[in-house]
Amino acid sequence: GESVGLHLPTLSVQEGDNSIINCAYSNSASDYFIWYKQESGKGPQFIIDIRSNMDKRQGQRVTVLLNKTVKHLSLQIAATQPGDSAVYFCAENENNFNKFYFGSGTKLNVKP
Amino acid sequence: DTAVSQTPKYLVTQMGNDKSIKCEQNLGHDTMYWYKQDSKKFLKIMFSYNNKELIINETVPNRFSPKSPDKAHLNLHINSLELGDSAVYFCASSRAATEVYGYTFGSGTRLTVV
Repeated sequence: GESVGLHLPTLSVQEGDNSIINCAYSNSASDYFIWYKQESGKGPQFIIDIRSNMDKRQGQRVTVLLNKTVKHLSLQIAATQPGDSAVYFCAENENNFNKFYFGSGTKLNVKP
Repeated sequence: DTAVSQTPKYLVTQMGNDKSIKCEQNLGHDTMYWYKQDSKKFLKIMFSYNNKELIINETVPNRFSPKSPDKAHLNLHINSLELGDSAVYFCASSRAATEVYGYTFGSGTRLTVV
């Protein structure tokens, strides 16, 4: 499968600050991306998605940015809260099948 | 009202044993998956079934055999367990296989082979 990776394995932020989690992907044919949040002892949970015909998508306190030129996407979390502490994964979709390749994850620590 | 439920949550077993993990989803989804998460949190797809039909079979040892009796259930049987099989196994489901949708994951089965 193609490589999907993250720049920072661990990110520590102060409560109330904004967080930015980055992800690089190598398959230029990927056209759908998802960010997942995984809390300790739980399965990954869908946060937000973006298709390749968009460069930005906003949700509640979260924004995903996609830069296809450099094959990079980021997850921005506004006003980070203790409940945001988790491991975050980006996942890219391989065409034709609903098969995703996951990055290695970034652990977000929110300090009170 | 768990959407995707896996049993057992924890499984400790000796090398060489055969074990099964079960998964059920009540979302009415057509497609189900098995993913393996290693100690470094890396998630890798193993299998996918769409309406009881195997559609994705990654490079997985043939000691692993999935079975889907109906579209709401996907089980994973592992023969002759090895130390390297220790991991967290996640079941997931999605609405369809040929259109792209996000997954709903179960809470995982932590398998420890000793």
